Amino acid sequence: DAGVIQSPRHEVTEMGQEVTLRCKPISGHDYLFWYRQTMMRGLELLIYFNNNVPIDDSGMPEDRFSAKMPNASFSTLKIQPSEPRDSAVYFCASSLSGTYSNQPQHFGDGTRLSIL
Amino acid sequence: AQSVTQLDSHVSVSEGTPVLLRCNYSSSYSPSLFWYVQHPNKGLQLLLKYTSAATLVKGINGFEAEFKKSETSFHLTKPSAHMSDAAEYFCVVSDFVSSNTGKLIFGQGTTLQVKP
Repeated sequence: DAGVIQSPRHEVTEMGQEVTLRCKPISGHDYLFWYRQTMMRGLELLIYFNNNVPIDDSGMPEDRFSAKMPNASFSTLKIQPSEPRDSAVYFCASSLSGTYSNQPQHFGDGTRLSIL
Repeated sequence: AQSVTQLDSHVSVSEGTPVLLRCNYSSSYSPSLFWYVQHPNKGLQLLLKYTSAATLVKGINGFEAEFKKSETSFHLTKPSAHMSDAAEYFCVVSDFVSSNTGKLIFGQGTTLQVKP
């Protein structure tokens, strides 16, 4: 089965540029999560969607970050303008809804973002 | 509030010897608990999950974990380490109390080193 697919795998860009990260969740999953991972802060949940609707974006660091899910099979995380402190690995994950949230999340391989 | 603490940031074992990665959790309710593994430059992969069924949970690659409510622990074990087990391991609790959505709370991670 195809897992969660993220693109690009690596992105290097200059400060001030717009960055768009993409995610295709597992077919049939109704939850989608965006995470950021750094050495200093570990894994941080940025935002998650249920049935394409954003439910909690309290983890989004600031207005420069935005996320959309136009349909069940595609989501984007955009940073505009990008800054060096945004350099991190960004993960997308998806899951099914379940009783007492016992459904595991399935992670993509991540996008390694470097802002110069 | 739910939380999870991984007691060791780094564990080193020799190939063929047992592995023990320790995790304590805090929860006012019966939690859903997970162990994930992350290999270099990869996303997180589910090893096993506990969801109030059997307290001894078997996962992939010979790993297992035991849920001990009296000790609020969910330690991960493996009888015999293999070189391919070297990775970062995350103990995770599901924060269904506040949102019932599968929002995960991650431990800080334990790096497992396996020496030949």
